[in-house]
Amino acid sequence: EAQVTQNPRYLITVTGKKLTVTCSQNMNHEYMSWYRQDPGLGLRQIYYSMNVEVTDKGDVPEGYKVSRKEKRNFPLILESPSPNQTSLYFCASSFAGGPGTGELFFGEGSRLTVL
Amino acid sequence: SQQGEEDPQALSIQEGENATMNCSYKTSINNLQWYRQNSGRGLVHLILIRSNEREKHSGRLRVTLDTSKKSSSLLITASRAADTASYFCATVFYGNNRLAFGKGNQVVVIP
Repeated sequence: EAQVTQNPRYLITVTGKKLTVTCSQNMNHEYMSWYRQDPGLGLRQIYYSMNVEVTDKGDVPEGYKVSRKEKRNFPLILESPSPNQTSLYFCASSFAGGPGTGELFFGEGSRLTVL
Repeated sequence: SQQGEEDPQALSIQEGENATMNCSYKTSINNLQWYRQNSGRGLVHLILIRSNEREKHSGRLRVTLDTSKKSSSLLITASRAADTASYFCATVFYGNNRLAFGKGNQVVVIP
């Protein structure tokens, strides 16, 4: 089944404890992206990647890192999480060309709480 | 960054009625997309309409695009309880390969 898989789905952590949210897609997509969703603010893009080893900042990249060493994986790294990073995170992927040419496929989301 | 803005923000209708949502944006677009999100779940793509298209249909969904008014509408005909969800418009602006989302419309269909 074609899908975007995120882990963990739920996580409660404490300020400053490094964490990684993994994202994997099995559709051979070139484009991958991370969004965060907050009440009243909608979805905001954190980082995106047009292909392996190519990443770019979105609208709210501060406090996050990403890497794209393999085509299928696009992990989101919070080196020193803070409470304002408490949010619902979504990974998404798309065929070559990204959203300029076609739809995004979303994972089920990772709900992160930073105490 | 520029984003689509949906109107109205929340809509409550009876099953069988039609639901219409509007989205406006500020600059020239490459395409506009509509997504649905069931509570707390991932977003699901509904329709993509390109800047040179005026109307598209998919099942009970009809999307229109008016580039002169920089607006789009999503019509759900003969709504069902399963259509209860949040609906987002998202735009890709020329010269920018990023998808910018509006804040979403919450639609409740009462059985």
